Amino acid sequence: NAGVTQTPKFQVLKTGQSMTLQCAQDMNHEYMSWYRQDPGMGLRLIHYSVGAGITDQGEVPNGYNVSRSTTEDFPLRLLSAAPSQTSVYFCASTRQGSSHNSPLHFGNGTRLTVT
Amino acid sequence: GQQLNQSPQSMFIQEGEDVSMNCTSSSIFNTWLWYKQDPGEGPVLLIALYKAGELTSNGRLTAQFGITRKDSFLNISASIPSDVGIYFCAGQPRNYGGSQGNLIFGKGTKLSVKP
Repeated sequence: NAGVTQTPKFQVLKTGQSMTLQCAQDMNHEYMSWYRQDPGMGLRLIHYSVGAGITDQGEVPNGYNVSRSTTEDFPLRLLSAAPSQTSVYFCASTRQGSSHNSPLHFGNGTRLTVT
Repeated sequence: GQQLNQSPQSMFIQEGEDVSMNCTSSSIFNTWLWYKQDPGEGPVLLIALYKAGELTSNGRLTAQFGITRKDSFLNISASIPSDVGIYFCAGQPRNYGGSQGNLIFGKGTKLSVKP
């Protein structure tokens, strides 16, 4: 059971380049989300999805796109990278619909540098 | 947006010492969660709290959901070297309109070993 798998672990981009951060989970979780973590900050929600075909914006969605064509995968796309997007990105998943907020399971992150 | 105030920002521990950290909010929260992040990894859930006044332990860790529902604390007793890392509080405000999976995170408390 791999849990939440993120690839790549590290990436360097030039300003204006595009790339996709991959996230896959094997726990059949309906809910998936992307957070970014910056020094001295907590984690901030970028986009989330409550099931295949459904996505919505979080707190800091600008500059990022997502799609959810399958339950397992939730890629994050940067269409035109900017230095302000230098950060560590975490993907997370959990079950939906329980009476309590189900705890998030996090991947190990992708460290992105935009020069 | 909603903010969680987590303190202290950082602290140094000596093996055997007890450690305490807390999180406060200006609004009522339905859920309080405590996560730990080791270098190069994603946050891992330590304790989840769902009811006002709830006191929950996980080994040497104890956390409480404040009776006002606007705060939570985490205590670590008899600290050991592997306790170093970044601890995050997280939660979801009452009447939050988004998915129950979306969390708001504090900025973290970094635990280091005293030199």
